[in-house]
Amino acid sequence: SSELTQDPAVSVALGQTVTITCQGDSLTKYHANWYQQRPGQAPLLVFYGKNDRHSGIPDRFSGSKSGNTASLTISGAQAEDEADYYCSSRDTSGYYRVFGSGTKVTVL
Amino acid sequence: QVQLQESGQGLLRPSQTLSLTCTVSGDSLRGSSYYWSWIRQRPGKGLEWIGYVYYNAMTSYNPSLKSRVSISVGTSDNQFSLKLTSVTAADTAVYFCSRDADYYSSGTFDSWGQGILVTVSS
Repeated sequence: SSELTQDPAVSVALGQTVTITCQGDSLTKYHANWYQQRPGQAPLLVFYGKNDRHSGIPDRFSGSKSGNTASLTISGAQAEDEADYYCSSRDTSGYYRVFGSGTKVTVL
Repeated sequence: QVQLQESGQGLLRPSQTLSLTCTVSGDSLRGSSYYWSWIRQRPGKGLEWIGYVYYNAMTSYNPSLKSRVSISVGTSDNQFSLKLTSVTAADTAVYFCSRDADYYSSGTFDSWGQGILVTVSS
């Protein structure tokens, strides 16, 4: 079981905005990190911390957190954004790392 | 720019020991304050953190795997390894090595290897 909960799947029309969420008690103390994973590829860090986009990531990706829920928003989704997205952080004890169960984003 | 590359056995029999090595270029394991990590992904499933070795050789493991797993820094300063004993079919997965930069103390995997498929089958 995962201490971080994500919706299994969301869809977004091309050019529209989609927000995916990650919920867990540890997020009241730690930040969420967001990864994009396209089929057959390794995950790629997309967003982390309060407001930090990883190197080379387009500015249509943004993140936020409120209470125990972190969010990743894709503004103006492109076809290449279709992928699985995972969040990660520390667990509630702080000793271990945990991943969310992942959200499949489909761009229509 | 750091790069990571996994290597090791791709096919194991049940009860054998999985042994993988991650070769790091562009960074020094002992000269940096990163957590050098292993993560796996079972077929069609999500990501599972296995554990890490810190630059000072301190380790931490996923409690669900702790009794079977060992992660260590190699004799050369650019390799670290994973050993998982008594494997079963449930250990069939793509295994990734990764650098955890722990930004904001929140465990941030900022660089990844391409992954290696390990199959356990009799």
